[in-house]
Amino acid sequence: EPEVTQTPSHQVTQMGQEVILRCVPISNHLYFYWYRQILGQKVEFLVSFYNNEISEKSEIFDDQFSVERPDGSNFTLKIRSTKLEDSAMYFCASSEMGFETQYFGPGTRLLVL
Amino acid sequence: AQSVAQPEDQVNVAEGNPLTVKCTYSVSGNPYLFWYVQYPNRGLQFLLKYITGDNLVKGSYGFEAEFNKSQTSFHLKKPSALVSDSALYFCAVRPLIDSYDKVIFGPGTSLSVIP
Repeated sequence: EPEVTQTPSHQVTQMGQEVILRCVPISNHLYFYWYRQILGQKVEFLVSFYNNEISEKSEIFDDQFSVERPDGSNFTLKIRSTKLEDSAMYFCASSEMGFETQYFGPGTRLLVL
Repeated sequence: AQSVAQPEDQVNVAEGNPLTVKCTYSVSGNPYLFWYVQYPNRGLQFLLKYITGDNLVKGSYGFEAEFNKSQTSFHLKKPSALVSDSALYFCAVRPLIDSYDKVIFGPGTSLSVIP
């Protein structure tokens, strides 16, 4: 069964550093998403992406964040200058169409020191 | 504000007994409703969804969920629990009003099935 994959599974970085989280969505899916879950809190929507542009973003997704589909398979989330409060599990998801079920990857646990 | 509640942090059930994991939501209109499950070190796996039609929807691994519009609830059920069902369960809602793409998650309920 096709799955969303994410790399790395864990990342530790220093405050102020840039990080790029990578995702490979399911191959025939056209819509891509990022969510995050701060430890002990709910899973929160960050951004959706379709046709090489952001479709929707939450108030969390400020100028520090960006998303990109650099090639035909990868979908990335970049955090330009990490803060301590960016420490969280980041989940990538994809769906075949915009209204279809979102399928999630295993997550990347980011720790900012 | 739009929200999803799962009133129980933890549910314990004996193997072979029926299980229920509760979910209520506060969202306008006719949202899409979902259940996801998370096993240790795994992502959120889709279990089932309700969009329209029959209030009882069936999903993966023998799970089903009952939609109740008047109570704005979407409880997850299984007639006979297995030890392997032990995991973290998330109820989720896609409002479709104000936001088309966003899925709002509940806080999760940890299910333990005791042998």
